[in-house]
Amino acid sequence: AQTIHQWPVAEIKAVGSPLSLGCTIKGKSSPNLYWYWQATGGTLQQLFYSITVGQVESVVQLNLSASRPKDDQFILSTEKLLLSHSGFYLCAWSLDWGGDAEQFFGPGTRLTVL
Amino acid sequence: GDSVTQTEGQVALSEEDFLTIHCNYSASGYPALFWYVQYPGEGPQFLFRASRDKEKGSSRGFEATYDKGTTSFHLRKASVQESDSAVYYCALGDRGNMGYKLTFGTGTSLLVDP
Repeated sequence: AQTIHQWPVAEIKAVGSPLSLGCTIKGKSSPNLYWYWQATGGTLQQLFYSITVGQVESVVQLNLSASRPKDDQFILSTEKLLLSHSGFYLCAWSLDWGGDAEQFFGPGTRLTVL
Repeated sequence: GDSVTQTEGQVALSEEDFLTIHCNYSASGYPALFWYVQYPGEGPQFLFRASRDKEKGSSRGFEATYDKGTTSFHLRKASVQESDSAVYYCALGDRGNMGYKLTFGTGTSLLVDP
């Protein structure tokens, strides 16, 4: 069975500090991977997607970047946090490519920027 | 661009009541439609999907029918339980060039009193 792990579970960071969030998928080779952001009480906004190692596409510009250093790993980062970066960050994966493919979400990372 | 509208921001019911959450979409192509459920502090869980007109998706007693004519995918359940309390998201999957993209509605918070 596939499992998805996100780290850390929660972070409290200062404005202007760097950030790195991680996501690991186990039990599935070559998954399609996605990063989402969710403001408190808000909907989900897709940020990035990746279909293979080393290849990441941006969906929305939020002064964030993403990388896929390994087949099962997806990293979200920034060098300088903004207050607006606060929220819930979710990693997701899908088996197939295309609009019919359901995406499966991880447990998320809660980020508070002060 | 593609969009999903959920009319109800909050729904309050008693156990064994009938549930309807309205979802309407706008898309240039022929999207796939999804329902997700999110419990507090967790990532969204895939409920079910429908990919073509008149197709019914269902899971855990919930169901919705893809209606291309009215551009709708309303969620229904005949008898809700307290454990159904959660936020429900309707989502649209692009089957064109943006096959990675999942567009979520604003979500409907369901609270079921015992």
